[in-house]
Amino acid sequence: KQEVTQIPAALSVPEGENLVLNCSFTDSAIYNLQWFRQDPGKGLTSLLLIQSSQREQTSGRLNASLDKSSGRSTLYIAASQPGDSATYLCAVKYGNKLVFGAGTILRVKS
Amino acid sequence: DAMVIQNPRYQVTQFGKPVTLSCSQTLNHNVMYWYQQKSSQAPKLLFHYYDKDFNNEADTPDNFQSRRPNTSFCFLDIRSPGLGDAAMYLCATSRVYRDDEKLFFGSGTQLSVL
Repeated sequence: KQEVTQIPAALSVPEGENLVLNCSFTDSAIYNLQWFRQDPGKGLTSLLLIQSSQREQTSGRLNASLDKSSGRSTLYIAASQPGDSATYLCAVKYGNKLVFGAGTILRVKS
Repeated sequence: DAMVIQNPRYQVTQFGKPVTLSCSQTLNHNVMYWYQQKSSQAPKLLFHYYDKDFNNEADTPDNFQSRRPNTSFCFLDIRSPGLGDAAMYLCATSRVYRDDEKLFFGSGTQLSVL
């Protein structure tokens, strides 16, 4: 069964701290891996997409890495800000569908 | 701006009363998805369309149906909503099936069943 797990489930950090969110997946036959942000009661916004042949992607203060062989991805957020507070979801593409993790709830305290 | 629009934002229905949720897109994307997300859980794919081709997930209950009358619109019909169907319903699109294609999500419809 294709499962995606995110650890930790929740994280609270002071403003300015660098942080890492973790994602693991059971089936390494992936097409790509995406990180999304979800604000409370809202839809999802795509942050980064890493194709199966890539190792990492960067956008501003965000860096995502992919290790397909170990079934892991990390999302690194540098110099966190209160505006980064949201739920971050990892999703793995198998064939024509995305399988999501349950997310990490991030709170950045000012 | 091109986008994915879901209406209504909030929907309240009664147990067993049919309800329809709508999604429209101005991106001219070929693929449209419907996801169900219950509180604090991962979004779960219900079905998707590639153009007019309907692709149902094996574990999607028969109570859930979908229609795509044209490229821009897609509907989710719940024939007899139960209390367990209360959730956020998310519509998403992508241009094609390619591995570098991102998904674009609407803001979702929060469904309550009384």
